Amino acid sequence: LAKTTQPISMDSYEGQEVNITCSHNNIATNDYITWYQQFPSQGPRFIIQGYKTKVTNEVASLFIPADRKSSTLSLPRVSLSDTAVYYCLVFDTGRRALTFGSGTRLQVQP
Amino acid sequence: EPEVTQTPSHQVTQMGQEVILRCVPISNHLYFYWYRQILGQKVEFLVSFYNNEISEKSEIFDDQFSVERPDGSNFTLKIRSTKLEDSAMYFCASSEVTSGRAPGELFFGEGSRLTVL
Repeated sequence: LAKTTQPISMDSYEGQEVNITCSHNNIATNDYITWYQQFPSQGPRFIIQGYKTKVTNEVASLFIPADRKSSTLSLPRVSLSDTAVYYCLVFDTGRRALTFGSGTRLQVQP
Repeated sequence: EPEVTQTPSHQVTQMGQEVILRCVPISNHLYFYWYRQILGQKVEFLVSFYNNEISEKSEIFDDQFSVERPDGSNFTLKIRSTKLEDSAMYFCASSEVTSGRAPGELFFGEGSRLTVL
């Protein structure tokens, strides 16, 4: 089971780009890199997922180097409402399981 | 957009009582999950369910816990003889198995807060 390591917390200001890097050194061939967001007292919400290179959707980009041992979630021009906990997870397609770590608590200030 | 719904939103129970938490997954989804989150702690996997049987379960999911899909829409988590340490937010999630979605895209409900006194 691939373990992920990410910063405990980050601070940013409105309008800035935020990059959260995660390491997953023992990622396996079947694993996808997946990011979730969680607001207090709410269920986690899927942000983005990738296998390699770069993935972009309407809310974020995910950069994955060729060795796949790390990944970077990029949030463009954050707003106060992006204050949340962001989880980097490895999705095991064989087990179809997600294991959450401690996440990165992002605080966006005015 | 379709969503996972959970009931009750909050339940208070006495230690030793049985509790059933209910979830209605998104209708075309095939994989179902229960997670829990103790206040201030990380989200913990309990169990996954596919094709009417448990696919995977964690060490937390002991004999005190059981899951059931009693009909075509509900997915329940039963906790027998609740303990104080079972107090947590319990999240149900579901996912589909088609090429249209990312394989790790789980849809979570808003949670059921369980308080054991």
